[in-house]
Amino acid sequence: QKEVEQNSGPLSVPEGAIASLNCTYSDRGSQSFFWYRQYSGKSPELIMSIYSNGDKEDGRFTAQLNKASQYVSLLIRDSQPSDSATYLCAVGEGRRALTFGSGTRLQVQP
Amino acid sequence: EAGVAQSPRYKIIEKRQSVAFWCNPISGHATLYWYQQILGQGPKLLIQFQNNGVVDDSQLPKDRFSAERLKGVDSTLKIQPAKLEDSAVYLCASGTGISEAFFGQGTRLTVV
Repeated sequence: QKEVEQNSGPLSVPEGAIASLNCTYSDRGSQSFFWYRQYSGKSPELIMSIYSNGDKEDGRFTAQLNKASQYVSLLIRDSQPSDSATYLCAVGEGRRALTFGSGTRLQVQP
Repeated sequence: EAGVAQSPRYKIIEKRQSVAFWCNPISGHATLYWYQQILGQGPKLLIQFQNNGVVDDSQLPKDRFSAERLKGVDSTLKIQPAKLEDSAVYLCASGTGISEAFFGQGTRLTVV
């Protein structure tokens, strides 16, 4: 059974700080990695994807992947109160459906 | 581009009743997923379709849940009979099948 592990939080950071969200996965065959943002009462929204080792930046978001350590992270720079949400890590392999972690709740304090 | 459409948005039923959810994926997406998300947890796959064929239904409780995707486009998910533990958000998602999935707004089911 594939597992994706995340700290449930809440992770509390002050406005303007860097938020660091982490995720580990169990299946070494995993090939694609995603971060979704989910506001309370809403559905998951894709914010980042990463497929190879290293960093990928998109605006204030940076995804980091280390396949050797089976570790994915998401950095949010200049955190805003509007970033307060649950962040879901998802892992995929080939054409199989994504496996999701339980999410980390982020609170950005004004 | 229109997103994934789901209906209804909310449903309240009594235990042992039946319920059905509908999903229309993003145009051109061959892969359709139904996920169940219980409060405080991540989405859990119930069934994956590729066109109108089932790719993975290993986690679908087949004694009470059924799903179909006629003509490889719209899909329905049915629960009969419902149990209290089925209370959750049912998320439909679609994708190309080799990358990310895009979610609809979900159906919040409450079984009383």
